Amino acid sequence: GAGVSQSPSNKVTEKGKDVELRCDPISGHTALYWYRQRLGQGLEFLIYFQGNSAPDKSGLPSDRFSAERTGESVSTLTIQRTQQEDSAVYLCASSLRLRGVGSEAFFGQGTRLTVV
Amino acid sequence: KQEVTQIPAALSVPEGENLVLNCSFTDSAIYNLQWFRQDPGKGLTSLLLIQSSQREQTSGRLNASLDKSSGRSTLYIAASQPGDSATYLCAVRGGANSKLTFGKGITLSVRP
Repeated sequence: GAGVSQSPSNKVTEKGKDVELRCDPISGHTALYWYRQRLGQGLEFLIYFQGNSAPDKSGLPSDRFSAERTGESVSTLTIQRTQQEDSAVYLCASSLRLRGVGSEAFFGQGTRLTVV
Repeated sequence: KQEVTQIPAALSVPEGENLVLNCSFTDSAIYNLQWFRQDPGKGLTSLLLIQSSQREQTSGRLNASLDKSSGRSTLYIAASQPGDSATYLCAVRGGANSKLTFGKGITLSVRP
């Protein structure tokens, strides 16, 4: 596709339910990132994929959070047993790593998650 | 641990003014630095990417500079317009296989 696509754009869920957030990166982009942005706050790193592996998942806040990537393409962020503190916008970005050069990261429009 | 600081948190200027947004980072061993714009309720739009070997990049009315040794970058906006009102974030990448570390952003308001 032309850009990074995230779905759904909005999700309201009840506390305790599980949710899945999807990210479709730009075709051919090998690197994929997930960030979280709480209302009025900065971007909080969650996890980084290079291909299908995650060399850095240091930002996942708890074991309720997990992510996977398949086919060096789509990624899914899963939050189990959601809590109200999980309410935030979840942003995905992708970039193409050129040999010796770090390339631009492009972001999707985000998924706004509200836990009620 | 890399830390990125953007001060001030908010800035209000009259239309037409040239302005400079500052970004500082604690670890000068960066791979590249990227400036983004975020409009309310939206995702991030990439503005400029500066590789560690570069000193500046330009796009239209925007010019970004990088001084790795002092841990600083500036985004210069010429002849500001109300449409430039947004939050501007800078982010640094520590290595080829690493995350972007973001500052908290500067919310710019350009008054007509």
